[in-house]
Amino acid sequence: NAGVTQTPKFQVLKTGQSMTLQCAQDMNHNSMYWYRQDPGMGLRLIYYSASEGTTDKGEVPNGYNVSRLNKREFSLRLESAAPSQTSVYFCASSEALNEQFFGPGTRLTVL
Amino acid sequence: GESVGLHLPTLSVQEGDNSIINCAYSNSASDYFIWYKQESGKGPQFIIDIRSNMDKRQGQRVTVLLNKTVKHLSLQIAATQPGDSAVYFCAENLSTYGNNRLAFGKGNQVVVIP
Repeated sequence: NAGVTQTPKFQVLKTGQSMTLQCAQDMNHNSMYWYRQDPGMGLRLIYYSASEGTTDKGEVPNGYNVSRLNKREFSLRLESAAPSQTSVYFCASSEALNEQFFGPGTRLTVL
Repeated sequence: GESVGLHLPTLSVQEGDNSIINCAYSNSASDYFIWYKQESGKGPQFIIDIRSNMDKRQGQRVTVLLNKTVKHLSLQIAATQPGDSAVYFCAENLSTYGNNRLAFGKGNQVVVIP
């Protein structure tokens, strides 16, 4: 099992460009999550999907959109990137009230 | 890799000593708590969890203690090793948001001195 995978690992964007971060899990989990992590801070939830076909806003959803493509995949889209979105992005998955499993992260820089 | 430990509380511990990392949580209704370890350049890794009907849970070299009266969680690492150097996060399940959401603390950096 690969667990949670994320692509790309690194990305540099110019302000105003768009991109999609991909996430996939092979653990058959119902719930998936997108977080951002900034230096000196914990993980902040952007969006989550409790089950296939549903998505909900987290703590910091502005400037992002998500798609739960199927049970395995949950993508995060930046329509018009801003320097404030420079961060490390983590995808996670879980089954009900259990621990979340995290991917390796995508390091995004917006110039 | 990026330093997620920048400006975090730091615990320096001698190799072989025990480490105690503390965490205060916010919601008295939280019923599930987790400790994660994050090494530089990697994603958080699950260490141990505890549910609110327990006060203590032990794993391999780690113990989590839960004090619901004062909303306090601690992680004890026995015989700390160089590989334990990392940032440690506590997380609570906020029942008011639904069963699947976790709220993470800002983290504590542990530095093991050989």
